[in-house]
Amino acid sequence: AQTVTQSQPEMSVQEAETVTLSCTYDTSESDYYLFWYKQPPSRQMILVIRQEAYKQQNATENRFSVNFQKAAKSFSLKISDSQLGDAAMYFCAYRSASGGSNYKLTFGKGTLLTVNP
Amino acid sequence: ETGVTQTPRHLVMGMTNKKSLKCEQHLGHNAMYWYKQSAKKPLELMFVYNFKEQTENNSVPSRFSPECPNSSHLFLHLHTLQPEDSALYLCASSQTSGGALGQFFGPGTRLTVL
Repeated sequence: AQTVTQSQPEMSVQEAETVTLSCTYDTSESDYYLFWYKQPPSRQMILVIRQEAYKQQNATENRFSVNFQKAAKSFSLKISDSQLGDAAMYFCAYRSASGGSNYKLTFGKGTLLTVNP
Repeated sequence: ETGVTQTPRHLVMGMTNKKSLKCEQHLGHNAMYWYKQSAKKPLELMFVYNFKEQTENNSVPSRFSPECPNSSHLFLHLHTLQPEDSALYLCASSQTSGGALGQFFGPGTRLTVL
């Protein structure tokens, strides 16, 4: 079974600075998808960024980018120019690409990000 | 993204009440999920439905009864709940094939059991 580990329960960053949230995962599969979700105080889970394992290029979405290291099974999220609205719980998630019944997401325990003005 | 809606947003119920949570997705997905999120705990997957068929029940107590009449609607029927069932209940949907898009979540129902 796949596992997702977020080793930082809490992180903080100054507004306009850059912060990196870490995520590692364990899998024996070669093809899969990785995601970062954001859950602000409103509790709505929002998909921030996604990465397909067969793509070597790191995904980017505006101020959000990932550092995907497939061999190391690492998938960190970098937030540049942090804004107050970035304060939230961030979840890393894994999904198999093998089809069948393996379409569920496996989530990490989350990292609570605080943005200081 | 609000392609997944949940009602009610807040619910307070006694232990002897019966209530239902509703989820509707407008994204054309075929899989739907119920999650429980308690304070300071990781997300817990409760049930999974694929094309209206239940494909997973993660040892959820029988006081939680899911229903999926079609691929767009998912219900969670609640009866004789316990105070420890107080939590945020999240619904999500996805495609079971072409998984690059991930799951899309509703805003959740904040449940308080007195």
